Amino acid sequence: GDSVTQMEGPVTLSEEAFLTINCTYTATGYPSLFWYVQYPGEGLQLLLKATKADDKGSNKGFEATYRKETTSFHLEKGSVQVSDSAVYFCALRISSGSARQLTFGSGTQLTVLP
Amino acid sequence: DAGITQSPRYKITETGRQVTLMCHQTWSHSYMFWYRQDLGHGLRLIYYSAAADITDKGEVPDGYVVSRSKTENFPLTLESATRSQTSVYFCASSEWTNQETQYFGPGTRLLVL
Repeated sequence: GDSVTQMEGPVTLSEEAFLTINCTYTATGYPSLFWYVQYPGEGLQLLLKATKADDKGSNKGFEATYRKETTSFHLEKGSVQVSDSAVYFCALRISSGSARQLTFGSGTQLTVLP
Repeated sequence: DAGITQSPRYKITETGRQVTLMCHQTWSHSYMFWYRQDLGHGLRLIYYSAAADITDKGEVPDGYVVSRSKTENFPLTLESATRSQTSVYFCASSEWTNQETQYFGPGTRLLVL
């Protein structure tokens, strides 16, 4: 079945450090890929998405490129801030059939220290 | 309030009791979803609904019941709560025309003793 594998956390960085959170996927068909973010005490919010190979999603300084050849969608940010502390979830969605569900990875906790 | 709301935000119950978690959205989104979030598992889909009176099972439906008599409401019922159902439950919704993006509620933290 479809699945998403994320690097395990927690990840702790100093402010202004470079961030990479790895995400790889297994899917039949051609999925859309997403990064969702969950701030403390809140529900998930869509951070960025890419719907086809080589697409780059970007938002709030975060970027991720859909790499079909390596089945990856790694999240990057050049300079993290304390306010980026959150749990980040990689997800995929297969756009076929009647069950258009999101499949989530297990999440990566990021803590940014001042 | 506009958006998607869940109630209660926190609930403590005992094994064997029936519990209903409420979800309400003001956007008239067609799709609604229930997920549970457990450490190490991320979010797992319990049930979803494509429209009023249309529901379907997700990955982990056992022990849960849903209904959707109105587009804006999607309650989740634990008929006889078990300790393994201790979790954080999230409701989400999405538009028919933009199913790529789901909007999540703030979650309900449930403890079953």
